[in-house]
Amino acid sequence: DIVMTQSPLSLSVTPGDPASISCTSSQSLLHSSGYNSLGWYLQKPGQSPQLLIYLGSKRASGVPDRFSGSGSGTDFTLKISRVEAEDVGVYYCMQGLQGRPTFGQGTKVEI
Amino acid sequence: QVQLVQSGAEVKKPGASVKVSCQTSEHPLTNNYMYWIRQAPGQGLEWVGWINLKNGVTGYAQKFEGRVTMTRDTSFSTAYMELTRLTFDDTAVYFCARDGPSPVPELDCWGQGTLVTVSS
Repeated sequence: DIVMTQSPLSLSVTPGDPASISCTSSQSLLHSSGYNSLGWYLQKPGQSPQLLIYLGSKRASGVPDRFSGSGSGTDFTLKISRVEAEDVGVYYCMQGLQGRPTFGQGTKVEI
Repeated sequence: QVQLVQSGAEVKKPGASVKVSCQTSEHPLTNNYMYWIRQAPGQGLEWVGWINLKNGVTGYAQKFEGRVTMTRDTSFSTAYMELTRLTFDDTAVYFCARDGPSPVPELDCWGQGTLVTVSS
């Protein structure tokens, strides 16, 4: 299985400051479609995960534009341009190649 | 907005089976795949398997092969996950999640989760 490694595992941020989370995969996530099979999810406290970014860099419906995803192949980054209090929770990257998804360990973001 | 509504919490004894349902507000089912993911207490997310809602083809994570069965009832727009021979390690919240339209998995809608507790 493809191993996903996130860093850092925890992040303490100040509202209004930027934040960045890295996700590295053990093999390339470039799909035959030309897209990267990499998504970012946020699980707020006590809630189900929600999709933030798909195909490596596309924002899901309703996701604020302060969230952005970048990267290709094996190295990906989620950036929050200006953290807000509602952004606290655990962020996961997930790869979906070969029909066998795997998740990163999660990055806990606290204010 | 599509909603996924899961069945309620379950308490099972070791060795028993549990069947969790996930009803979608989509009629008829138009998405191809439904994924099941679990989260043990205080832990991260773990993929259990998926089912193709159109033809019933399934794919399971290797660690669950032989113990998990995923089915769907298109008439009721409901997907099911049954896990047998439960152990204490199966205590977790089980989520269903709908795959979106892109060519790679994008889980754009999640159920509220079903807590399965395995306790003697």
